[in-house]
Amino acid sequence: AQSVTQLDSHVSVSEGTPVLLRCNYSSSYSPSLFWYVQHPNKGLQLLLKYTSAATLVKGINGFEAEFKKSETSFHLTKPSAHMSDAAEYFCVVSDIRRDSSYKLIFGSGTRLLVRP
Amino acid sequence: DADVTQTPRNRITKTGKRIMLECSQTKGHDRMYWYRQDPGLGLRLIYYSFDVKDINKGEISDGYSVSRQAQAKFSLSLESAIPNQTALYFCATSGSGNTEAFFGQGTRLTVV
Repeated sequence: AQSVTQLDSHVSVSEGTPVLLRCNYSSSYSPSLFWYVQHPNKGLQLLLKYTSAATLVKGINGFEAEFKKSETSFHLTKPSAHMSDAAEYFCVVSDIRRDSSYKLIFGSGTRLLVRP
Repeated sequence: DADVTQTPRNRITKTGKRIMLECSQTKGHDRMYWYRQDPGLGLRLIYYSFDVKDINKGEISDGYSVSRQAQAKFSLSLESAIPNQTALYFCATSGSGNTEAFFGQGTRLTVV
């Protein structure tokens, strides 16, 4: 079965400094991977997705992530944090069913705090 | 208008009561899901449906049931609510294939 591990439950950065949110996955095949963001009292919004095309994926709001198969990682980065980036971030891996359809497996989330 | 709409947005109910959470979508997707979010646990899948006649249990289906009334509607029921079902519930949809899901705004349920 596929699984995903977010290595940090909380990350705190100063405004204007780089952001790194770490994610490792396990999968017996080439998965699709996603990052979602959840702002307080809001639903989940897709930031970016990897689906076996380019390994460096660019998303919205200046975020990007790099798929590294050898390290089974899909870390999320941003060069310069903004106050508006404060939110919870979820790394997600697709899980293939026996009938070759898919469902999503979520990590436990990383809460990003941005200090002024 | 939102692509995925959940009602109600907030609900407080008493232990033992039956409650239904409703979800409708305008994206034309066949696949719909119910997730539960608890602090520190991410989102856990309760039930999912890949078409109107297809209902599948997720990882935490005990105490819940669902109904897929139409392609666009997927409701979640708690037959006899208990306090540990207090959580934030999300409905989501996705297209066929290995694609991302689109989420509703969530329903915050409190069982007292």
